[in-house]
Amino acid sequence: AQTVTQSQPEMSVQEAETVTLSCTYDTSESDYYLFWYKQPPSRQMILVIRQEAYKQQNATENRFSVNFQKAAKSFSLKISDSQLGDAAMYFCAYRITGGFKTIFGAGTRLFVKA
Amino acid sequence: DTAVSQTPKYLVTQMGNDKSIKCEQNLGHDTMYWYKQDSKKFLKIMFSYNNKELIINETVPNRFSPKSPDKAHLNLHINSLELGDSAVYFCASSRGQGRSTQDTQYFGPGTRLTVL
Repeated sequence: AQTVTQSQPEMSVQEAETVTLSCTYDTSESDYYLFWYKQPPSRQMILVIRQEAYKQQNATENRFSVNFQKAAKSFSLKISDSQLGDAAMYFCAYRITGGFKTIFGAGTRLFVKA
Repeated sequence: DTAVSQTPKYLVTQMGNDKSIKCEQNLGHDTMYWYKQDSKKFLKIMFSYNNKELIINETVPNRFSPKSPDKAHLNLHINSLELGDSAVYFCASSRGQGRSTQDTQYFGPGTRLTVL
C-alpha cells in the first residue's frame, strides 16, 4: 500500500529566509504524481506545486521549488524568501497515474517569524 | 467565481440527527470526492464519483451516503450523527482519471461539522 510520511509536525522560519519541508513516500509504482498543498487558517486547500514522477527536472513555482529524488522516494518542498503569508499547514500528497485516489501525509505546520 | 463550493460552511447539531452537506463544482470536472479531516488535521478520502458513478468507497460507516444527482454535484448525507463524526469535510473535484497533472484535485472551502 502506498503511504506518505511527513516527519516534521512543525517547522519555523524567519521572514525572508529559506525553509525546506520533508516528505517521503512508499510505492511500488513507477508512474505517479506528487503534490504539495497549503492549508492556511482559512482552511482552504491550495495547490502549491506538483511533480510528475517521470520528469527528472524538479518543479518550480515562483518561490516554491521541490527536490524530487525518485530512487530515495523523497519529495521535499523548499520555500525561498519566506513571507508571513506562507504560514500554514503543508500537506504532501501522492497519486498513482490513472488512479483517482490521492493519499495525503499528516502535514507540517509552518510558522513564519517576523 | 467559486470553483468548488460547499454548503453549509459550519454545521452544529445534536447526536442522533441526520444532516446533509452539499457540494457543487463549476469547473466541468467529471470526478468529485469527499474527504474527512480530523482534529489532528489528517486528511483521508471517503468517497469518489466519476461521471455520477461511485468509484471509491473507503472504509466508511454506512451512515454516510454520498449522492450525485449530476456531474456537478456530490452531496454527503449522514444519518444518526455521532460525536466522532465531528470533523472538517472537504469536497474536491478533478477533470478525469489522474492521467495527467491536469487532473489535479481542487478543493472546496470545507464544512466544519460539530456534533454535540
